[in-house]
Amino acid sequence: GAVVSQHPSRVICKSGTSVKIECRSLDFQATTMFWYRQFPKQSLMLMATSNEGSKATYEQGVEKDKFLINHASLTLSTLTVTSAHPEDSSFYICSATFRGRTYEQYFGPGTRLTVT
Amino acid sequence: GENVEQHPSTLSVQEGDSAVIKCTYSDSASNYFPWYKQELGKRPQLIIDIRSNVGEKKDQRIAVTLNKTAKHFSLHITETQPEDSAVYFCAATNGNQFYFGTGTSLTVIP
Repeated sequence: GAVVSQHPSRVICKSGTSVKIECRSLDFQATTMFWYRQFPKQSLMLMATSNEGSKATYEQGVEKDKFLINHASLTLSTLTVTSAHPEDSSFYICSATFRGRTYEQYFGPGTRLTVT
Repeated sequence: GENVEQHPSTLSVQEGDSAVIKCTYSDSASNYFPWYKQELGKRPQLIIDIRSNVGEKKDQRIAVTLNKTAKHFSLHITETQPEDSAVYFCAATNGNQFYFGTGTSLTVIP
């Protein structure tokens, strides 16, 4: 099946710094990528939907200036957490769908972000 | 937008017993309902799904039922095994965004 990778798998950063997380579809062209945030023992909360070449659509309550999403190509989307604070510590997961099979969502392995 | 509710939040069963997890959704435009299993610190894995034109689907020990009129769908796991212990999420989508339930932490007691 289709494979989605994320990098890094874990990152620890200091408060006030920015962190970039990459999401790549390895063997298919992803028309849409989704970014989720997951707190311990909680559900996946959709943060934004990203289509290649267009601006991301953010869910209500998600600060677009804080969580910058770039979908520069059909195989790469990036999430940058700007001026990170301890409350941004979470598990961030991306997923991708591709043309003609928009009901099949392929998840990345997730990135554990810890802000100290 | 869509609102997906899931119950129970935690579920403990004896090995060999059945487990049932229920979800409701609000948007009648949703037409695809997947179920995911997620182990701690790992990505969700699709275990079964159902489309709105089907009432029931079964895959070995796992089955899903859908009641479109009532807007609810359920996951049934029979003959549970310790390796079934995980968090299970339901989801609903109309082919655009996916909306997830709040999750059920299933523990199968040997």
